[in-house]
Amino acid sequence: QVQLQQSGTELVKPASSVKISCKASGYTFTSNYMHWIRQQPGNGLEWIGWIYPGNGNTKYNQKFDGKATLTADKSSSTAYMQLSSLTSEDSAVYFCARSRGSYYVMDAWGQGASVTVSS
Amino acid sequence: DIQMTQSPSSMSASLGDRVTITCRASQDIGNYLSWFQQKPGKSPRRMIYGATNLAAGVPSRFSGSRSGSDYSLTISSLESEDMAIYYCLQSIQYPYTFGAGTKLELK
Repeated sequence: QVQLQQSGTELVKPASSVKISCKASGYTFTSNYMHWIRQQPGNGLEWIGWIYPGNGNTKYNQKFDGKATLTADKSSSTAYMQLSSLTSEDSAVYFCARSRGSYYVMDAWGQGASVTVSS
Repeated sequence: DIQMTQSPSSMSASLGDRVTITCRASQDIGNYLSWFQQKPGKSPRRMIYGATNLAAGVPSRFSGSRSGSDYSLTISSLESEDMAIYYCLQSIQYPYTFGAGTKLELK
């Protein structure tokens, strides 16, 4: 079955960077999109962007341009999101979610990775 | 950006009630509308895709419908396990946008 296993909790300092991982199994990693979604404490869901591991193409929400960088390693079926220049505003749970296209969207989700930015 | 206006923001209902949650799209999104359920401390779960299609493994008491730019999620007979926050998502135009969520509680 489709599984997305995310990395764990991160406590990081302001102005630093963090890289979150999402290891996929149970499907063809290179033939599906991987989306990233942010959920700030007590808030709703916000779409960050996607990567298509087959060719490395990416699409970002303009709001996260310069903040998030999406990459993928085909050899390990793992997607990554790096967040840079962290502030307290970036403290959130970050989810990865698979899509087979814009119609069949986000049918499987990772368990979430918590990032806390604090000095 | 396409705005997804979700209502109500919260509601309480009794077991066995019929419950309807609505999202209104600010632009035409066709049927590129999905519904997600999120329980506390858990990841969202897709319930409906393509506005009306039941996702795999989702109980048949859940259904989705569309009337113009209004999209609805209906639970025909509420069960205790349905208490959660529900979000809609449009995926026709970038950036994809979610509704603000509807918190469903037991009366």
